[in-house]
Amino acid sequence: AIRMTQSPSSLSASTGDRVTITCRASQGISSYLAWYQQKPGKAPKLLIYAASTLQSGVPSRFSGSGSGTDFSLTISCLQSEDFATYYCQQYYSYPRTFGQGTKLAIK
Amino acid sequence: EVQLVESGGGLVKPGGSLRLSCAASGFTFSSFTMNWVRQAPGKGLEWVSSISSSSSYIYYADSVKGRFTISRDNAKNSLYLQMNSLGAEDTAVYYCARDRTTVDSPFDYWGQGTLVTVSS
Repeated sequence: AIRMTQSPSSLSASTGDRVTITCRASQGISSYLAWYQQKPGKAPKLLIYAASTLQSGVPSRFSGSGSGTDFSLTISCLQSEDFATYYCQQYYSYPRTFGQGTKLAIK
Repeated sequence: EVQLVESGGGLVKPGGSLRLSCAASGFTFSSFTMNWVRQAPGKGLEWVSSISSSSSYIYYADSVKGRFTISRDNAKNSLYLQMNSLGAEDTAVYYCARDRTTVDSPFDYWGQGTLVTVSS
């Protein structure tokens, strides 16, 4: 199975900050990488797929980059509604695997 | 509007069984691969199983292989997860989720989840 490792596991930031979360795959996955946002008690929401393509309706302050084994999610100007937990996921092969999550909290 | 609504969760004793259902609407269910993903309390997301549109391809996580069975009924727009030999480690919210497109795709729509608690 492909292991997905996110860093950091948690992060504190302020509204207006720019933050970056990284995700590393244990083997190459081309661009078969998605990012999800999850708020407490809610289902995950797809933000980005194909490493850098914004899902419809997602604000442009979210961006993704990378290919192969190293990926990143950047939020350019944090808004209050962005404080949540973020997960990366590979869909290059089965079993589908998620990163352990990055909890983004208000500083 | 795409909707996925899970049901069938609840409290079950160790070693017991449970069948989850996911009712789909708002899209052509028979065209999409469907998935189950779970999340233990306070933990991250864990993919459980996937089934292709015509049920030709089925995949399981090692943690549930041999105990869980995924199935679908395209005539009823429904996805199922039969869970047997349940243990405490299976306690989680179970989500059904749709593949975004027809080939190797992330999950673009998720249900609200149904809680399964395995406890004596």
